[in-house]
Amino acid sequence: GAGVSQSPSNKVTEKGKDVELRCDPISGHTALYWYRQRLGQGLEFLIYFQGNSAPDKSGLPSDRFSAERTGESVSTLTIQRTQQEDSAVYLCASSVDWVSYNEQFFGPGTRLTVL
Amino acid sequence: AQSVTQPDIHITVSEGASLELRCNYSYGATPYLFWYVQSPGQGLQLLLKYFSGDTLVQGIKGFEAEFKRSQSSFNLRKPSVHWSDAAEYFCAVGAGTYKYIFGTGTRLKVLA
Repeated sequence: GAGVSQSPSNKVTEKGKDVELRCDPISGHTALYWYRQRLGQGLEFLIYFQGNSAPDKSGLPSDRFSAERTGESVSTLTIQRTQQEDSAVYLCASSVDWVSYNEQFFGPGTRLTVL
Repeated sequence: AQSVTQPDIHITVSEGASLELRCNYSYGATPYLFWYVQSPGQGLQLLLKYFSGDTLVQGIKGFEAEFKRSQSSFNLRKPSVHWSDAAEYFCAVGAGTYKYIFGTGTRLKVLA
């Protein structure tokens, strides 16, 4: 498909386990973003990539969260030792580049539930 | 501090009725403002954006929004709602070259 895809669409895990969330951006998009959407709240910015580099990781809530991007394409958000407060929908977006406010195209998200 | 407030968590309108979703922002400089729509199981889609110029902005799907600096508002409107407009709507302000600050969203229900 031509849009941003994310997998899995749903993930249920036990507290303390590690999880990996995947994002496939639109082909050719050099900028990629991760957001978290908690129930009843707006989207929180987590991290963004220019190519494979992440110049802004300021939104990552703790050192349990990390992300990487390879080949200026796929990105993986990893949450180690998951906690119940990590339960949320994690959204990925991509844009043509990081020039001021180019439209960000969002994926459908991964719903993470930590039991 | 930068913030976006959407005071209505839920709104219900009848199909064919007009719609206005409220958004107030707090931002020190001239804001970049956006409205996104999120349909069930889908990602957010940009409806419209305001950067400068004409304060009445036209978007996709028949939506428009008006920037009122004196009221720090950027309300979204549609003259006649369709059942397919049922979704969650997010207002956002640009907080840097790529960051958005999102409101908490307004969930729209459309009655047949």
